[in-house]
Amino acid sequence: AQSVTQLGSHVSVSEGALVLLRCNYSSSVPPYLFWYVQYPNQGLQLLLKYTSAATLVKGINGFEAEFKKSETSFHLTKPSAHMSDAAEYFCAVSDGGYQKVTFGTGTKLQVIP
Amino acid sequence: EAGVAQSPRYKIIEKRQSVAFWCNPISGHATLYWYQQILGQGPKLLIQFQNNGVVDDSQLPKDRFSAERLKGVDSTLKIQPAKLEDSAVYLCASSLVGNEQFFGPGTRLTVL
Repeated sequence: AQSVTQLGSHVSVSEGALVLLRCNYSSSVPPYLFWYVQYPNQGLQLLLKYTSAATLVKGINGFEAEFKKSETSFHLTKPSAHMSDAAEYFCAVSDGGYQKVTFGTGTKLQVIP
Repeated sequence: EAGVAQSPRYKIIEKRQSVAFWCNPISGHATLYWYQQILGQGPKLLIQFQNNGVVDDSQLPKDRFSAERLKGVDSTLKIQPAKLEDSAVYLCASSLVGNEQFFGPGTRLTVL
């Protein structure tokens, strides 16, 4: 069975600082990996996805993530945090498609001015 | 292009009452999903439709939850009777077959 573990339910960074949100996955087949963002009272929006092409994936709003098979990780980064990045971020894994997606428990990002 | 629409946005009911949620997917999207998101957790798939057929309902508590997608477009999710532990956000998502899911804003259910 596939699963993801997000380390840290809450992360605080200063505005302008590096954002690093950690995600480790478990999958018995080559996975698809996703990062979604959820703003208060809104649905989930896809930030970026890994689908077995380039291991460094660039997404919207300046975010990127690197697929590291040896570490079973897919950490999300952004060089400089902006106040508008404050939201909850979910890592997710599927068995090689877009359908059977399993979500992590989420990390709330707080950006301190 | 209009996104996934859901209503109501908020609902408060007493335990043992019934409740229904409605979802209108993006036009042309054959696949529709219902997720349950309990506070502090990630979304959990309840049921997946392709057109008006059920693809996966393995995690749907069928003793109290039901869902339908008549005519392969709109869908309703019903809970009867509701329990306290059903308090959650219910998310609807839609996609073209085999493609990226697009999520609606969700319905926040509070069961008292």
